[in-house]
Amino acid sequence: AQKVTQAQTEISVVEKEDVTLDCVYETRDTTYYLFWYKQPPSGELVFLIRRNSFDEQNEISGRYSWNFQKSTSSFNFTITASQVVDSAVYFCALRRSREYGNKLVFGAGTILRVKS
Amino acid sequence: DGGITQSPKYLFRKEGQNVTLSCEQNLNHDAMYWYRQDPGQGLRLIYYSQIVNDFQKGDIAEGYSVSREKKESFPLTVTSAQKNPTAFYLCASSRTPGADTQYFGPGTRLTVL
Repeated sequence: AQKVTQAQTEISVVEKEDVTLDCVYETRDTTYYLFWYKQPPSGELVFLIRRNSFDEQNEISGRYSWNFQKSTSSFNFTITASQVVDSAVYFCALRRSREYGNKLVFGAGTILRVKS
Repeated sequence: DGGITQSPKYLFRKEGQNVTLSCEQNLNHDAMYWYRQDPGQGLRLIYYSQIVNDFQKGDIAEGYSVSREKKESFPLTVTSAQKNPTAFYLCASSRTPGADTQYFGPGTRLTVL
């Protein structure tokens, strides 16, 4: 079964703190893709990053960084020097490459609150 | 600007009525999807369409219906058979069925009174 677990339901930090959002996935596929999406209060999901299972290089984009570790089936997301605008719900998702239809399995999401 | 539009933003309906949610994209994407989001839960797939005039059931299709008569449009009908229709509905599209990234619209919040 495909499953994504985001154990942190809600996190509160003060502006400028670093914060890490955890994502653990389960899959039997050897090839798969992982995603992070941001959902601000407006409701629209904003695509942040996509990683395939063959690429374990960590990635940094500005204040955002992602740590992909196949050995622990984790794909964690770190925001450095958080800002109030980072407040949102963040979703981790898994897609199986050989399953047609491009279906995504989402975690339950982590609510991030950044206080000024 | 290219993107996905959903209308209306908020929708109210009386119990027992069917209602149709609109989703339009001008990205020239082949594949389109409908998800449902409930509080404290991730998104769950209702229906998806890989090409015009074709669509497939997702994980929670019961009580819903769709059509895909045009590439840019993928309306979702919530029927009276849906037991608990109050939710936030999100439409998404991807360039091809095999493409990795789905892009989402702003969503429609449906409330059944």
